[in-house]
Amino acid sequence: DTGVSQDPRHKITKRGQNVTFRCDPISEHNRLYWYRQTLGQGPEFLTYFQNEAQLEKSRLLSDRFSAERPKGSFSTLEIQRTEQGDSAMYLCASSLSFAGQGYNEQFFGPGTRLTVL
Amino acid sequence: QKEVEQDPGPLSVPEGAIVSLNCTYSNSAFQYFMWYRQYSRKGPELLMYTYSSGNKEDGRFTAQVDKSSKYISLFIRDSQPSDSATYLCAMRVTGGGNKLTFGTGTQLKVEL
Repeated sequence: DTGVSQDPRHKITKRGQNVTFRCDPISEHNRLYWYRQTLGQGPEFLTYFQNEAQLEKSRLLSDRFSAERPKGSFSTLEIQRTEQGDSAMYLCASSLSFAGQGYNEQFFGPGTRLTVL
Repeated sequence: QKEVEQDPGPLSVPEGAIVSLNCTYSNSAFQYFMWYRQYSRKGPELLMYTYSSGNKEDGRFTAQVDKSSKYISLFIRDSQPSDSATYLCAMRVTGGGNKLTFGTGTQLKVEL
């Protein structure tokens, strides 16, 4: 399967614990995005990378959240000291973007569903 | 007020019906308009995108954008039970990292 993959698919944790999610984008896609989707809502942008550089972070991304894409391939999203309000689906997407391009499609992974007890 | 508004439904229609899904938005800088389909516990998948105003057709699906009214629509003809899913509109400006702003999604059920 050459699509975007995410691991784990489900994570249950207790309040106060740290969790880390992984996203593997489509090979050669230079942009990688993280979104959060709560029940009954559309995805909300969190952050994105161009290769290994994190270029934008939403104000939704509190200082408990950190994302990395160390070699410009896979990415990790870590949440420290989880709170019940962090319970959501965390979606990763990737795209191939280059200068002068108009539209480029973001391909989404299946998401990691986080439940904080 | 959210930048993108979408009626969450649920919307229930009989098989074969024409479905109309809509979104309104407030940011006049949006230039790209997308419709995604999301099945339960899956990631969104792109159905169609439109640049600026106009219509676009792809099989049973037609997307319309009216920038003057800040209103977009997706029409599904001859709806099938397999179309049952949540439909998300999404928009973005030109450049700006291509981050997407989504509506809340409309849950559609097509019944036999």
